[in-house]
Amino acid sequence: AQSVTQLDSQVPVFEEAPVELRCNYSSSVSVYLFWYVQYPNQGLQLLLKYLSGSTLVKGINGFEAEFNKSQTSFHLRKPSVHISDTAEYFCAVRPNTGGFKTIFGAGTRLFVKA
Amino acid sequence: DTEVTQTPKHLVMGMTNKKSLKCEQHMGHRAMYWYKQKAKKPPELMFVYSYEKLSINESVPSRFSPECPNSSLLNLHLHALQPEDSALYLCASRRLAGTLETQYFGPGTRLLVL
Repeated sequence: AQSVTQLDSQVPVFEEAPVELRCNYSSSVSVYLFWYVQYPNQGLQLLLKYLSGSTLVKGINGFEAEFNKSQTSFHLRKPSVHISDTAEYFCAVRPNTGGFKTIFGAGTRLFVKA
Repeated sequence: DTEVTQTPKHLVMGMTNKKSLKCEQHMGHRAMYWYKQKAKKPPELMFVYSYEKLSINESVPSRFSPECPNSSLLNLHLHALQPEDSALYLCASRRLAGTLETQYFGPGTRLLVL
């Protein structure tokens, strides 16, 4: 079985400051890792994903994440946030052995202040 | 075209009504999903169709009835819902071949049951 823990339910940050949203996972098999963003009253949009290869993954909107297998973490970072980054962010995993289920974390609300 | 469309955007229904939610994609994805998302929570998987056949039913009450009439369409038929069924209903799709494991989400239907 898999589980995903997002360590912060809310992260307030000032505009143009750096931010890190933390995600840890647990799994007995290898997994694919994802970060999704959900803006108010919208569906989920894929920010980035880690399937294999380089552990530093770059995504859309200036976000990047680093996969750390030994610490089973997949933290999301952005060097300088904008007001428009205010949204809910979900970390998710799916076993790479096949199957349909994606396991989502509880979400982190990023609130960017002017 | 990487779009999943959902109609209607909003739906208000009484507990005795029958209504349907519709989801459409033209990306050739052969896995399609229904999720339910309550406010400030991650999406919860309801159903998965693979090659137009129901693969996963996460013990969803029978008042929700999914249907996949062809490889591009996914419906969710609603009957005799309860107020606690009020939520955002998200559709998603994914390719089943290759390593491109990205799940694409639609914008959702916001359902209110009175």
